[in-house]
Amino acid sequence: NAGVTQTPKFQVLKTGQSMTLQCAQDMNHNSMYWYRQDPGMGLRLIYYSASEGTTDKGEVPNGYNVSRLNKREFSLRLESAAPSQTSVYFCASKFSPLAGFTGELFFGEGSRLTVL
Amino acid sequence: KQEVTQIPAALSVPEGENLVLNCSFTDSAIYNLQWFRQDPGKGLTSLLLIQSSQREQTSGRLNASLDKSSGRSTLYIAASQPGDSATYLCAGGGFQGAQKLVFGQGTRLTINP
Repeated sequence: NAGVTQTPKFQVLKTGQSMTLQCAQDMNHNSMYWYRQDPGMGLRLIYYSASEGTTDKGEVPNGYNVSRLNKREFSLRLESAAPSQTSVYFCASKFSPLAGFTGELFFGEGSRLTVL
Repeated sequence: KQEVTQIPAALSVPEGENLVLNCSFTDSAIYNLQWFRQDPGKGLTSLLLIQSSQREQTSGRLNASLDKSSGRSTLYIAASQPGDSATYLCAGGGFQGAQKLVFGQGTRLTINP
């Protein structure tokens, strides 16, 4: 019963390097999300995908790109990492079949990224 | 901009006490309110989800209520235990029809043996 799986769990990058965080869910959810969590800032939405084939910007999208590869997978890419992107990144998913109704949001365990 | 606020930021109580955590939101037109628990270095675990048509939800020693008219939700924890120590976050969903949740900053709860 995997739920939401994120890889890698830990990563250290140098400024300017690129990397992709992978997320997969096995609950047949249509909506998927990427958040970052920083001390004193709480959880902030980076990008989300309400359904397969669509993506939208959240609160802090600059410096990131996303791909909804299929219904199960939603990846987050840092094209040129900066120290300000040092954070814990969480992927989440939920079932949102109808306008006006949203299901329970489930989170992965997080990916801890350090940019030197 | 919708805002979700949790006060206090930290709370410490002795084991066995019943306690209430508070969550307030600025827009009463929400679709649901979800409570989460986060242990240090871990992800968020969903505790309870209240849809807008509901007034409360219960799971074991936890009870969450939702009052849309006053813009408040509470999480009641009965007979607290040291294992309940964690950060508790609330999140409001569906503001203005959007699919995304807005999170509070969380309340860090410590239960002292």
